[in-house]
Amino acid sequence: EVQLVESGGGSVQPGGSLRLSCVASGFSFSTHEVNWVRQAPGKGLEWLSYISGGGETMYYADSVRGRFTISRDNAQNSLFLQMNSLRVEDTAVYFCARIGGSAGTFDIWGQGTMVTVPS
Amino acid sequence: DIQMTQSPSSLSASVGDRVTITCRASQSISSWLAWYQQKPGKAPKLLIYKASTLESGVPSRFSGSGSGTEFTLTISSLQPDDFATYYCQQYHSFWTFGQGTKVEIK
Repeated sequence: EVQLVESGGGSVQPGGSLRLSCVASGFSFSTHEVNWVRQAPGKGLEWLSYISGGGETMYYADSVRGRFTISRDNAQNSLFLQMNSLRVEDTAVYFCARIGGSAGTFDIWGQGTMVTVPS
Repeated sequence: DIQMTQSPSSLSASVGDRVTITCRASQSISSWLAWYQQKPGKAPKLLIYKASTLESGVPSRFSGSGSGTEFTLTISSLQPDDFATYYCQQYHSFWTFGQGTKVEIK
């Protein structure tokens, strides 16, 4: 079964750090670009970051650039998001999502992991 | 940055109704437009990509149209499983989602 499974969420004080992980299975992870997307409670979807299959190219949304770092370990079929200087407004469910070859956009999503930064 | 605006934000409909959701881009995105369905507590599910191509396994009652800046998602005959929130997404330049349209039971 093709799937992505996130982990690493939790509660962290403002200014703190957290590292999210996303493990892929059922497909050739190294040949797919992957992204992080988040959803604040009761709100819509926000794209955060992209990384190419080989890890050479990364993009970030303005809201997280300079604070979050995306990386991957293809040998471990894993994607990461290092989140530093966390703010109350970073509270959200964080999803990893694969870019499918046919679709050209996010065809497989993980179930999400919740990050809470209390005020 | 490309902004995506969906309308309406919510709608009430009955089983069997034809439902249309509109998405407008702030600049031309050609056909680089996808539609997702999301149910509470779940991840989004890809329904349509390249504006009108149905993802494998998605029922044929879903269809998409448009190009440039104006797009629509149509559900030809609403089913009980279709009550959810729908998002459009552009992938012409990075990725941006619309604010969502919640489809509720009338």
